[in-house]
Amino acid sequence: FMLTQPHSVSESPGKTVTISCTRSSGSITRNYVQWCQQRPGSSPTTIIYEDRQRPSGVPDRFSGSIDSSSNSASLTISGLKTEDEADYYCQSYDNGRGVFGGGTKLTVL
Amino acid sequence: QVQLVESGGGVVQPGRSLRLSCTPSGFTFSSFALHWVRQAPGKGLEWVAVISYDGTKNYYADSVKGRFTISRDNSNNTLHLQMNSLRIEDTAVYYCARDPSSGWAGRVILAFWGQGTPVTVSS
Repeated sequence: FMLTQPHSVSESPGKTVTISCTRSSGSITRNYVQWCQQRPGSSPTTIIYEDRQRPSGVPDRFSGSIDSSSNSASLTISGLKTEDEADYYCQSYDNGRGVFGGGTKLTVL
Repeated sequence: QVQLVESGGGVVQPGRSLRLSCTPSGFTFSSFALHWVRQAPGKGLEWVAVISYDGTKNYYADSVKGRFTISRDNSNNTLHLQMNSLRIEDTAVYYCARDPSSGWAGRVILAFWGQGTPVTVSS
């Protein structure tokens, strides 16, 4: 299966943005979805795992959700800050193998 | 805290081999599944392989199956990725990553990442 994300999104500081991740086949609820953030020149960091769990240290401005009706997962970032400007990847798995979405470039302007 | 440090990257000719290592700290190495993920220059993330906490189970991406071998040495706390028959398209930064939970459930959940080691395949 594939995970499809928008190529880019942009929003102003202080606003809220949502990034979608649509699973092409099989239910989105079949396996957990993760989200990772990658700032320019840095390694990825996981900001959401198991659909909606936040690792220690990740602010609650970041939240994950699942929508069965659209077979998609979403990452919502509220109170946008310029430091949130980064690439965001959704990720899931099936039969023991991982799958990443193509990534979404978030611009905060 | 959890740290993962990759090493072994470099420049290699097509068809040759390279062995990457990942040395962790801050957790009980033998309790967690570990993964390799790569990122080609200017491209997105690609999951490569996983090995169970005890080394008895492993899975590979189709793009590397038959050429790459993931292994671990729990007595020396080291993860390896043996890469054979390297191709130009294997050029990437290679990251090791760890599951958030101990044990094995056949999942691919990446909670902790290393800083990556670059591999360039070029003639």
